Amino acid sequence: QSALTQPASVSGSPGQSITISCIGTSSDVGSYSLVSWYQQHPGEAPKLMIYEASTRPSGISNRFSGSKSGNTASLTISGLQAEDEADYYCCSYTSSSTSIFGGGTKLTVL
Amino acid sequence: QVQLQESGPGLVKPSQTLSLTCTVSGGSFNSDAYYWSWIRQHPGKGLEWIGSIYYTESAYYNPSLKNRLTLSVDASKNQFSLKLSSVTAADTAVYYCARRSYSDYSFDFWGQGTLVTVSS
Repeated sequence: QSALTQPASVSGSPGQSITISCIGTSSDVGSYSLVSWYQQHPGEAPKLMIYEASTRPSGISNRFSGSKSGNTASLTISGLQAEDEADYYCCSYTSSSTSIFGGGTKLTVL
Repeated sequence: QVQLQESGPGLVKPSQTLSLTCTVSGGSFNSDAYYWSWIRQHPGKGLEWIGSIYYTESAYYNPSLKNRLTLSVDASKNQFSLKLSSVTAADTAVYYCARRSYSDYSFDFWGQGTLVTVSS
């Protein structure tokens, strides 16, 4: 199984909004809304930010939002803050009952 | 609050078997609402799902690792384990254990991760 496709890097200034895309296929993202997003700071374990494509877990800021259309899922961060600088990964359930991650996107807050 | 903790050797010789255990505390281990999972991250690289196992020992494996991989559960100890055979330097990575939701397949709780180096 090939990794979901994410941009290697994105950047934005404090207060701005950015969107990270996650492109899959009809065997994963396109067929299920079982897409989740993770934030990982250096040296730390990943943290769940979004599940079921657009649902925020308790305690996650509403500056984080998710969506899905066709084979593409997206994570949007509004009102960028310095603490948002991290790596972000998408993950999808697949038709083979497996999970597959994206290659990761490094977010830089300028 | 659920907590997961990985344990096992940090150094494994090539061709040997990598063995790790994850201990779960804070409840939910025997719940039918979760899969118990392993995920790894090669140095400086992205996340790779290794496999997930249910408390009934029904397991799902990454196809690229399936021939070398065995997951198991010890419910009496609230532990689940990974065995990866015939390791090479390409298996050097940080290995995370995590809880995966049965309903939405998200990984909501993670261990801190443990670095396993394959080297002679």
